[in-house]
Amino acid sequence: DADVTQTPRNRITKTGKRIMLECSQTKGHDRMYWYRQDPGLGLRLIYYSFDVKDINKGEISDGYSVSRQAQAKFSLSLESAIPNQTALYFCATSSGSSYNEQFFGPGTRLTVL
Amino acid sequence: GENVEQHPSTLSVQEGDSAVIKCTYSDSASNYFPWYKQELGKRPQLIIDIRSNVGEKKDQRIAVTLNKTAKHFSLHITETQPEDSAVYFCAVQLFSGGYNKLIFGAGTRLAVHP
Repeated sequence: DADVTQTPRNRITKTGKRIMLECSQTKGHDRMYWYRQDPGLGLRLIYYSFDVKDINKGEISDGYSVSRQAQAKFSLSLESAIPNQTALYFCATSSGSSYNEQFFGPGTRLTVL
Repeated sequence: GENVEQHPSTLSVQEGDSAVIKCTYSDSASNYFPWYKQELGKRPQLIIDIRSNVGEKKDQRIAVTLNKTAKHFSLHITETQPEDSAVYFCAVQLFSGGYNKLIFGAGTRLAVHP
């Protein structure tokens, strides 16, 4: 089945370390997204990309960067991790439809000590 | 920017009762309103959606209603079952700079007690 996958699924790191979260998809979608989930705050958009050469900031991009290596791959980096970046991170994809159903990956639980 | 408010934040019902979750939004140009369900430890998944040219949509035990004038939409679950226990997120499609993207509500944790 076509799917969205994320690696790693869990990660514990220390303050100041650089960390990369990776997302791959076999759905053939052009659009990819990175969200952060915190209790009581829902899903907040960090970055999104509508094709390989397109990168856009979302609501909460400070402290994050992304790379769209190919249509199927979209990576999120924390250049210097801090404790308040501890959260559950989801990658999502969607087609180019006007009605934007999104398909989520399984999530990466990140803890910054 | 778009503001999506979702209420209640938690909801507890007895099995067989109905559950209603409401969301309000601010951008009158929004035209697509999906609902996602996230079971414990799982990824969010779309359960139902509605477009702005429709006032109500139903799929078995779940339904969504939309009031564009008042800028609010609601998820209705009838005859609730324990497997309906999850966090539910509403979302609103926002258009900005040629892009359409989803803005999510904060979520409602629904607990269905046997």
